[in-house]
Amino acid sequence: GAVVSQHPSWVICKSGTSVKIECRSLDFQATTMFWYRQFPKQSLMLMATSNEGSKATYEQGVEKDKFLINHASLTLSTLTVTSAHPEDSSFYICSASVTSGGELFFGEGSRLTVL
Amino acid sequence: RKEVEQDPGPFNVPEGATVAFNCTYSNSASQSFFWYRQDCRKEPKLLMSVYSSGNEDGRFTAQLNRASQYISLLIRDSKLSDSATYLCVVNTFRTGNMLTFGGGTRLMVKP
Repeated sequence: GAVVSQHPSWVICKSGTSVKIECRSLDFQATTMFWYRQFPKQSLMLMATSNEGSKATYEQGVEKDKFLINHASLTLSTLTVTSAHPEDSSFYICSASVTSGGELFFGEGSRLTVL
Repeated sequence: RKEVEQDPGPFNVPEGATVAFNCTYSNSASQSFFWYRQDCRKEPKLLMSVYSSGNEDGRFTAQLNRASQYISLLIRDSKLSDSATYLCVVNTFRTGNMLTFGGGTRLMVKP
């Protein structure tokens, strides 16, 4: 199947710093990618839809100025958690599909811990 | 009411048992349905799509009941390796390919 890769897998940072997470589609072009967040023992919650060459669409309650999304190419979307705080500690996962409505492939996830 | 609801479990079953999970969804306009499997601290992976006619893949059987708006997953002859969280996922195509995840049902298969 298609491959989606995320980096880094783990990141620990101090409160107040910014962290960038990359999501790459390795063997296909993705005009749309999705960013999810998952807190312990909870399900995935969609944060935003990342559209290549245009602004991301954020879900209600997600601060666009805090979670900056850039989808500059058909194979790369980045999520930057700005001025991270301990409550931002979570598992962040991206996904993309080869075709609209088709199977979603997920990145391996990035576990963020903010001290 | 959540868009997609699942019993969180955990379901503790012995090896070889048959176990079934149900999932209900609230949006009658939903068009695509999936079961994903998520292992601890890993990303979700597609287990199977759910078709109106029902479908089977080895020990796994998925059913869709549009009238009652629920989806089921049946696992026969449970293996230790089946222990995971099973996520019910619905695509309402609100904005392109956007999936809504249920909270997941945790399954623990014991020797």
